[in-house]
Amino acid sequence: EAQVTQNPRYLITVTGKKLTVTCSQNMNHEYMSWYRQDPGLGLRQIYYSMNVEVTDKGDVPEGYKVSRKEKRNFPLILESPSPNQTSLYFCASRRLRNTEAFFGQGTRLTVV
Amino acid sequence: AQTVTQSQPEMSVQEAETVTLSCTYDTSESDYYLFWYKQPPSRQMILVIRQDAYKQQNATENRFSVNFQKAAKSFSLKISDSQLGDAAMYFCAYPMNRDDKIIFGKGTRLHILP
Repeated sequence: EAQVTQNPRYLITVTGKKLTVTCSQNMNHEYMSWYRQDPGLGLRQIYYSMNVEVTDKGDVPEGYKVSRKEKRNFPLILESPSPNQTSLYFCASRRLRNTEAFFGQGTRLTVV
Repeated sequence: AQTVTQSQPEMSVQEAETVTLSCTYDTSESDYYLFWYKQPPSRQMILVIRQDAYKQQNATENRFSVNFQKAAKSFSLKISDSQLGDAAMYFCAYPMNRDDKIIFGKGTRLHILP
């Protein structure tokens, strides 16, 4: 089954404790992105990648890191999480720029 | 810069009735695509419908259809015969031709009244 898999789905952590949210897709898609969703703000792009070893900043990259060492994986790293990073996070992939994006099931992150 | 605006934060419709969700966008690109995504309480983002800007015909998927007005930069979603399962947050989305950015509207929460 074609899918984007994110883990974990729920995470509660403390300020400053490094964490990684994993994302993997099995559709051989070139493009992968991370978004955060906040009430009243919709989805905002954090980082994106158009190919292996190619990543770039989206609209809200501060406090986040990503890597794309393999085509299928695109982890999101929070080196020192802060409470303002409490949000719902989505990983997405797509084959071409003008095709639909496939989303993971989301990760609800709470930083206390 | 490209923008997507959904002016209705919340809407309600009676079951079996028809409802239209509004979306306007701004772009300088001439060839592009537009999407509507549905996000039910499960949080999963589900593609509802896609419109290719170069096509004059409005896209239709079963009970879902769009009214695409390219000159007015308007892209509304019509849901006919509303069902309880249609209750969700709906996002209008514009995938940019460069980079891998999709610009989302802020969403419209749709309630279905039994």
